[in-house]
Amino acid sequence: GAGVSQSPSNKVTEKGKDVELRCDPISGHTALYWYRQRLGQGLEFLIYFQGNSAPDKSGLPSDRFSAERTGESVSTLTIQRTQQEDSAVYLCASSWAPGRNSPLHFGNGTRLTVT
Amino acid sequence: AQSVTQLGSHVSVSEGALVLLRCNYSSSVPPYLFWYVQYPNQGLQLLLKYTSAATLVKGINGFEAEFKKSETSFHLTKPSAHMSDAAEYFCAVSVSSGNTPLVFGKGTRLSVIA
Repeated sequence: GAGVSQSPSNKVTEKGKDVELRCDPISGHTALYWYRQRLGQGLEFLIYFQGNSAPDKSGLPSDRFSAERTGESVSTLTIQRTQQEDSAVYLCASSWAPGRNSPLHFGNGTRLTVT
Repeated sequence: AQSVTQLGSHVSVSEGALVLLRCNYSSSVPPYLFWYVQYPNQGLQLLLKYTSAATLVKGINGFEAEFKKSETSFHLTKPSAHMSDAAEYFCAVSVSSGNTPLVFGKGTRLSVIA
């Protein structure tokens, strides 16, 4: 596919369970971002990967959140011991290079509902 | 730190009417400014961006935005609304040439009434 692909598109989980969200960036894009979009809120930055550099984790809200990326390909965002306040749409974006001259391409998001 | 304020979480216009979505930013250095649009059940897509060249920026689907440094604003406009313009619009700012992520506003939902 030509765009950023995220899976699953929807996930319902029980409070306390762990979840994994997947992002396939556009081939050749070196930068990958995770954002969270809660109802009525803007996009909240979570984590950023650039090539083989150490990721920028400054936006992760707690140690229950973690993310990995293998090289310049797939990324997974893991939320452990989910809480109801984790319910949100999780958006992944990639760009061909770091920095603000390279526009972000977003996936359609994963809607997470914690019951 | 940089920030973005979008005035009005919901704007409603009649089809054919002017669209005006407001965005004000806070930055101590020259910013790059962006507008993204999100259609229902889709990801965000770039509408237009300001990168310190022309202050009036034209984007896709007939939208444009004007950078006004004196007012720290980057309002989005379109002369005539179409039903297909109904979506959520996000303003975003970047103040660093490095790898810092974009900072987004809370979004404005645009409704177009027939």
